[in-house]
Amino acid sequence: EVQLVESGGGLVQPGGSLRLSCAASGFTFSGYWMHWVRQVPGKGLLWVSLINGDGSSTSYADSVKGRFTISRDNAKNTLYLQMNNLRAEDTAVYYCARDYYGSGDQWGQGTLVTVSS
Amino acid sequence: EIVLTQSPATLSVSPGERATLSCRASQSVTSNLAWYQQKPGQAPRLLIYGASTRATGIPARFSGSGSGTEFTLTISSLQSEDFAVYYCQRYNTWPPMGFGPGTKVDIK
Repeated sequence: EVQLVESGGGLVQPGGSLRLSCAASGFTFSGYWMHWVRQVPGKGLLWVSLINGDGSSTSYADSVKGRFTISRDNAKNTLYLQMNNLRAEDTAVYYCARDYYGSGDQWGQGTLVTVSS
Repeated sequence: EIVLTQSPATLSVSPGERATLSCRASQSVTSNLAWYQQKPGQAPRLLIYGASTRATGIPARFSGSGSGTEFTLTISSLQSEDFAVYYCQRYNTWPPMGFGPGTKVDIK
């Protein structure tokens, strides 16, 4: 069974940092591109970042470029999102999603990040 | 950036009735369109990709159609578990995932 389990969310002050993790199981992790997508509670979905299978290529939404870094450890079957210089507007549930021809065919349950003083 | 709009924002339907949801793209996305279902407190669930291909395990009452700029998700006979928010998403353009604002399907 495919599983994606996010962790690392929590309450952080503006300007602070967090690192999210997404532990993958049930499939060949290195064979898939992976996304981070966020959702403000009660609002819509917003793509954040994408990484290819071997980690050599990454892309970011303009709103997080220069502050967030996506990475992966294929030996540990884990995806990461390092978030620095966090802002109130980064408050959201963050999901990792497995890429399937551009869509997301498997999603984690999400982890809530709250940026507030 | 290609923008997706969805209509209606809310659709009130009785169980057993047919629901038709619309997604429109500001430019052609050919068939690079997916549909998701999201229930409160849950992650999105992929229903349709390639505009009309059902994802693994998705019941046949869900169908997708369209190409270019006009797309439709049809739920042929609504079940109680189908009341949720539905999002369309385009891909293979920048940014890699662009989502519509969603249509909430609620009980009439």
